[in-house]
Amino acid sequence: GAVVSQHPSWVICKSGTSVKIECRSLDFQATTMFWYRQFPKQSLMLMATSNEGSKATYEQGVEKDKFLINHASLTLSTLTVTSAHPEDSSFYICSADAPGLYISPLHFGNGTRLTVT
Amino acid sequence: AQKITQTQPGMFVQEKEAVTLDCTYDTSDPSYGLFWYKQPSSGEMIFLIYQGSYDQQNATEGRYSLNFQKARKSANLVISASQLGDSAMYFCAMREGFIGGNQFYFGTGTSLTVIP
Repeated sequence: GAVVSQHPSWVICKSGTSVKIECRSLDFQATTMFWYRQFPKQSLMLMATSNEGSKATYEQGVEKDKFLINHASLTLSTLTVTSAHPEDSSFYICSADAPGLYISPLHFGNGTRLTVT
Repeated sequence: AQKITQTQPGMFVQEKEAVTLDCTYDTSDPSYGLFWYKQPSSGEMIFLIYQGSYDQQNATEGRYSLNFQKARKSANLVISASQLGDSAMYFCAMREGFIGGNQFYFGTGTSLTVIP
């Protein structure tokens, strides 16, 4: 159980275009989803927290107009990188949080490797 | 202060030997969970083991065990009988608060290499 599907696994796009990444919880309802960005050989950097039906909460320094997050249902959250530039190239990974206690682990998607040319 | 500290950027271990990956944490919340994740080069985050702050015994999951020392605020991961497939990045993480939904804090990670 507790499977999170993230799509696409990798994407190459041209500078100036937008890219949408989907994160789905397949067998549970995710009240909260987290979006992370990871640079090579570094830790996960939290970009934003999204709760179903409400606006996402962005971490300091993350441009909300560039990284649009939508959490329309309890099983789907999307991250759209708008007007992508080469500096947006990175590994993006989502995680879904099922309702539970502090000992509940986060369940991660497999990540999306974005390359902007 | 850092919530999670991993002081070993890289570790090497001989195949079939045991290895300990260090993790210390900082919190004033009495309710917290500590977690270890493995990230192979393919990128996915694989949940390994967790320890709750109220747990009296150290957690174990197969070859993984968590050496939880509450007074020292440490939660070291022990991997027994290392295998080549254990080569990966390992992240220690913490969640605070009794009710879930709070963010996870991740350490900087330890890169483990298993030598044949």
